[in-house]
Amino acid sequence: EVLLTQSPGTLSLSPGERATLSCRASRTISASYLSWYQQTPGQPPRLLIYGASTRAAGTPDRFSGSGSGTDFTLTITKLQPEDFAVYYCHQYGTSLTFGGGTKVQIK
Amino acid sequence: EVQLVQSGAEVKKPGESLKIFCKGAGYSFSNYWIGWVRQMPGKGLEWMGSIYPGDSAISYSPSFQGQVTISADKSINAAFLQWSSLKASDTAVYYCARRGDAAMALDYWGHGTQVTVSS
Repeated sequence: EVLLTQSPGTLSLSPGERATLSCRASRTISASYLSWYQQTPGQPPRLLIYGASTRAAGTPDRFSGSGSGTDFTLTITKLQPEDFAVYYCHQYGTSLTFGGGTKVQIK
Repeated sequence: EVQLVQSGAEVKKPGESLKIFCKGAGYSFSNYWIGWVRQMPGKGLEWMGSIYPGDSAISYSPSFQGQVTISADKSINAAFLQWSSLKASDTAVYYCARRGDAAMALDYWGHGTQVTVSS
């Protein structure tokens, strides 16, 4: 089973700042099978990015994904108030797993 | 419009059985995998397993194999998650989600079913 480790666990930033979230896999995975989700309290997760770097429908262009192999990154430029949430990476190769999540909170 | 509608909250006692559902609408239900995801109180997302309603092919996460049963009835566009004997540690929100065309990512999610197991 591929383990996904997200860091940091919590990111404290101010609106307008840039957020950089990391997702590291325990072994090489296909970038095609890496996605990112946003979850706000009391809501189901929402797909943001799939295939490591393709924005899902409705995802603002301040969100971008990158990476390959074992290291993947979600970047949010100019944080908006609605971006303070928990973010999860997810891989869906032979086995399927989620990372532990990164909470982006207001500083 | 694609929708996944899940059953309502449940409160059960340890040892009881339970079956919750996820009904799809607005798309060809048989042709997309449906996955189940657990979220324990204050915790992250855990992949439980998935089913392809078209032929009922099922894949379980090793952590959940033997602990739950996933099934589907394509005639009523529904997927199910069931327990034969609940434990307090099964208390969680359970989400269903569709694996979409876009590189099989989870593009639509149900609102979640809160399951509370308490004596």
